[in-house]
Amino acid sequence: DTGVSQDPRHKITKRGQNVTFRCDPISEHNRLYWYRQTLGQGPEFLTYFQNEAQLEKSRLLSDRFSAERPKGSFSTLEIQRTEQGDSAMYLCASSWIGGRDPDTQYFGPGTRLTVL
Amino acid sequence: SQKIEQNSEALNIQEGKTATLTCNYTNYSPAYLQWYRQDPGRGPVFLLLIRENEKEKRKERLKVTFDTTLKQSLFHITASQPADSATYLCAPVLVAGNNRKLIWGLGTSLAVNP
Repeated sequence: DTGVSQDPRHKITKRGQNVTFRCDPISEHNRLYWYRQTLGQGPEFLTYFQNEAQLEKSRLLSDRFSAERPKGSFSTLEIQRTEQGDSAMYLCASSWIGGRDPDTQYFGPGTRLTVL
Repeated sequence: SQKIEQNSEALNIQEGKTATLTCNYTNYSPAYLQWYRQDPGRGPVFLLLIRENEKEKRKERLKVTFDTTLKQSLFHITASQPADSATYLCAPVLVAGNNRKLIWGLGTSLAVNP
């Protein structure tokens, strides 16, 4: 296993369009997290899953954002009707809740979104 | 509210010196604390974890301390190299029963000059 992967790495879209990102976690990891990060800021938590259940969603997340993890493996993050303020790096991370350090998160390379 | 403060200014040091980064937290008591490294355009990479009952943790040239009285963690890189240049993120973890929450700092940018 080569770690967490994300696709696409870069996405440029026009305001008002919908976009979908995919994350493939480390295969044995049962937790998956989505973050958003802008320049000079730390990762901002969006949501996380344990297996296929979405356990927490940030109050900052508008209804335009939705995430799924249908079979407890890969996850998708969809942004509907994108706005320029959505431009950011979207990071996915995974962890193994059964391990000694369940909160150590392994990050993917991120998807850079630019909304024109 | 829970708050984390890391060195607000970027840190510039000379190669070979020791870099010391600070992470201060207020209004909560983390069970443990993690440090991550982030390079531009990439996701954070886990470096070290220190628990509340540990005073110090080492890994190669890295050393982390955790002072629960001062509510502070220090992250040291000894014999620094230009390849250590990156942003370093502090991430304390709150544990309450079955609930766990990881809180991210803004990060400190480190530049090691040759």
